[in-house]
Amino acid sequence: DIQLTQSPSFLSASVGDRVTITCRASQGISSFLAWYQQKPGKAPKLLIYAASTLQSGVPSRFSGSGSGTEFTLTISSLQPEDFATYYCQQLNSYPRTFGQGTKLEIK
Amino acid sequence: QLQLQESGPGLVKPSETLSLTCTVSGGSISSSSYYWGWIRQPPGKGLEWIGNIYYSGSTYYNPSLKSRVTISVDTSKNQFSLKLSSVTAADTAVYYCARRIYCSSTSCYWPYDYWGQGTLVTVSS
Repeated sequence: DIQLTQSPSFLSASVGDRVTITCRASQGISSFLAWYQQKPGKAPKLLIYAASTLQSGVPSRFSGSGSGTEFTLTISSLQPEDFATYYCQQLNSYPRTFGQGTKLEIK
Repeated sequence: QLQLQESGPGLVKPSETLSLTCTVSGGSISSSSYYWGWIRQPPGKGLEWIGNIYYSGSTYYNPSLKSRVTISVDTSKNQFSLKLSSVTAADTAVYYCARRIYCSSTSCYWPYDYWGQGTLVTVSS
């Protein structure tokens, strides 16, 4: 199985900050990576797919980059509604594994 | 607007079989364009992919659960289902159903774009 390791696991930031979350794969996965946002008690919401393609309706302050084994999710200017947990998922091979999550909290 | 809704018992006894159904509305489960999947999340923990099914009935399962999991589809009811046998407390989780675009190869750009709200299943005697 491909393991995805996100860093950091917890992140404290303020409204307006620029934040970056990293997802590292245990083997190369080309650009077959997606990012999701999950708020408490809610289902995950798709933000980015193919490593860098913004899902329709997602604000442009979210961006993704990377290929191979290292990927990043960047939020350019944090808004109050962005405080949530973020997960990466690889779609290169089965089983479709997820990272362990990064919880973004208000400083 | 596509909607997915999970349903099933919220409490299952250890060693029994967990059974959940996902009802799809606003779209056809018989479309050749999509996979239908199950993902779970233990309380306070991360996401675990369980498996996918195509309208034709072809499936992919997580090897860690494969011996206990069955996913099936009922096109006449626009539903797909999950059965997980011999459950233990470790199977206590919120179970989500979700949709993703079909692709013919194992490596695929399309992730889960529509999700149900999730249903909590507790395994306890």
